[in-house]
Amino acid sequence: QQPVQSPQAVILREGEDAVINCSSSKALYSVHWYRQKHGEAPVFLMILLKGGEQKGHEKISASFNEKKQQSSLYLTASQLSYSGTYFCGTAYNTDKLIFGTGTRLQVFP
Amino acid sequence: DGGITQSPKYLFRKEGQNVTLSCEQNLNHDAMYWYRQDPGQGLRLIYYSQIVNDFQKGDIAEGYSVSREKKESFPLTVTSAQKNPTAFYLCASTPTLANTEAFFGQGTRLTVV
Repeated sequence: QQPVQSPQAVILREGEDAVINCSSSKALYSVHWYRQKHGEAPVFLMILLKGGEQKGHEKISASFNEKKQQSSLYLTASQLSYSGTYFCGTAYNTDKLIFGTGTRLQVFP
Repeated sequence: DGGITQSPKYLFRKEGQNVTLSCEQNLNHDAMYWYRQDPGQGLRLIYYSQIVNDFQKGDIAEGYSVSREKKESFPLTVTSAQKNPTAFYLCASTPTLANTEAFFGQGTRLTVV
């Protein structure tokens, strides 16, 4: 069952912050975050395992709320290079990876 | 350099014809996946394989078939039974389990006319 991402689209000015949410109706084993530029392969950002951890990657960080089966991706002080479509990937057990519906992020000067 | 290679990048086929998309990896990964990408629908899982000679259906397997005869290769055949095959197809792999980083190929854009 595909996880649901919100919002579907975000428009930012450089320097602004954004939060992208990923929600599942089933218990999650892990959550991945990827960014995809148009027509290119998705690129790995980070993975969070069951345990409610939070991770950071430069100005991009994420949290995983195991009880709510939700993950959030935080982008602070956005840069033009942050533009793209963000996908969360969820694993309900260890054998397959299901991706969300995607959130399109556009950052303008 | 290690990675995943999908070929061709663009593919055109006539309606009613079967077509096979290639996916090769030299990362020595056990697990491989095929996803279909349509605007507004994210990445949807077609088939996945955790080990040679074994594969499982994903959420939208109807009209598709795969094989996993070698660890490094996971070709996807889009059959004439697939009602709307025009899409962007992505192949991915993970070292072992699904809770490890996935590496993607550059994708194949299939257009059926």
